[in-house]
Amino acid sequence: GQQLNQSPQSMFIQEGEDVSMNCTSSSIFNTWLWYKQDPGEGPVLLIALYKAGELTSNGRLTAQFGITRKDSFLNISASIPSDVGIYFCAGLQYNFNKFYFGSGTKLNVKP
Amino acid sequence: DTGVSQNPRHKITKRGQNVTFRCDPISEHNRLYWYRQTLGQGPEFLTYFQNEAQLEKSRLLSDRFSAERPKGSFSTLEIQRTEQGDSAMYLCASSLGASGSLTDTQYFGPGTRLTVL
Repeated sequence: GQQLNQSPQSMFIQEGEDVSMNCTSSSIFNTWLWYKQDPGEGPVLLIALYKAGELTSNGRLTAQFGITRKDSFLNISASIPSDVGIYFCAGLQYNFNKFYFGSGTKLNVKP
Repeated sequence: DTGVSQNPRHKITKRGQNVTFRCDPISEHNRLYWYRQTLGQGPEFLTYFQNEAQLEKSRLLSDRFSAERPKGSFSTLEIQRTEQGDSAMYLCASSLGASGSLTDTQYFGPGTRLTVL
């Protein structure tokens, strides 16, 4: 299947710091999504990106759809303890009609 | 609550037993997806339905797995003769899937955690 490389695998940051994580692939995707997953729960959608170059914000979260359509990044500004969790990127290719997920970035925030 | 719901949330079974999970999608959503997620990994696609039609199946979906969506609303995923390797979180997602739509954002349920002893 299509592989999405998500980095970093984990992060330990101090409350108040900004965070950046990204997702890259050798394949082109038509839609990028970013999800957050808490332990024992399903992923919750954070941001959806539909056009190359698109920059979208949701509160303290900002995500961009890379110009090449092969990558996306997610930034979290002024992190807080409730940002703790695992963040997944997901890419959709129209012809395959299903999402491929990255392996996740585990975020730890120290108060 | 108008989100995706899944039942049961947890299932513990003995190897060799059959199990069935249920997913109720968001009511107006036409597409329903099943994923499997193991510890430390992202969700892996298993299969999806457009209304009642099962349109795609992953190679991960062995003959012991079967999914149905008989009336185009809720779906069931059955695993026969469970093996220890089937232990995972099984996630269901739904999307609008409007005809001709170029975007198909998926919304996930809370998952069913399966443990095979």
